[in-house]
Amino acid sequence: GQNIDQPTEMTATEGAIVQINCTYQTSGFNGLFWYQQHAGEAPTFLSYNVLDGLEEKGRFSSFLSRSKGYSYLLLKELQMKDSASYLCAVRWAGNMLTFGGGTRLMVKP
Amino acid sequence: DTAVSQTPKYLVTQMGNDKSIKCEQNLGHDTMYWYKQDSKKFLKIMFSYNNKELIINETVPNRFSPKSPDKAHLNLHINSLELGDSAVYFCASSQIPLRHSYNEQFFGPGTRLTVL
Repeated sequence: GQNIDQPTEMTATEGAIVQINCTYQTSGFNGLFWYQQHAGEAPTFLSYNVLDGLEEKGRFSSFLSRSKGYSYLLLKELQMKDSASYLCAVRWAGNMLTFGGGTRLMVKP
Repeated sequence: DTAVSQTPKYLVTQMGNDKSIKCEQNLGHDTMYWYKQDSKKFLKIMFSYNNKELIINETVPNRFSPKSPDKAHLNLHINSLELGDSAVYFCASSQIPLRHSYNEQFFGPGTRLTVL
């Protein structure tokens, strides 16, 4: 089975940096995804890690340590539009994803 | 231009009824999925389907069944609806990823099902 944990809520200030952590325990690990979901909308893809290390994409970076079962999503230069839920997901069997409960990020002026 | 579309967007129905939600993708993907997102916002995989195999999450009741008339469609049929089935259902699609590669899943807009 899969078990994925992330903080339920976080608050940060516009222009700041925030790190959202995700820990997982899973069998058949085949990569970790981060998705963004605005309220009432569909999840959209942000990043993917399968090897240890940091992947950078503009203001967003994602890190993975497979030995520790740990990942984080780093958001820099926060903007108000970054207020959303951030979902960590582990890939197993084919392309099946198991999602964590999501972290609701509130960005304040 | 819509990549993954679902109908209806909202569905309100009585307990015990049978209903279907339709999903279509125009991305040429070979794998489609159904997810359920409950009131606590947990997004759970229900099914993964391509023309070779159907993978079912073991926690899904057999009242739920996916039906694929062709590669671009994966509909979700639900029999004998229960109160606990109320949720937002998302369809998604992707290509089958190569080993150590990825093909992200593209999600539809969701269908909010309310069972009274």
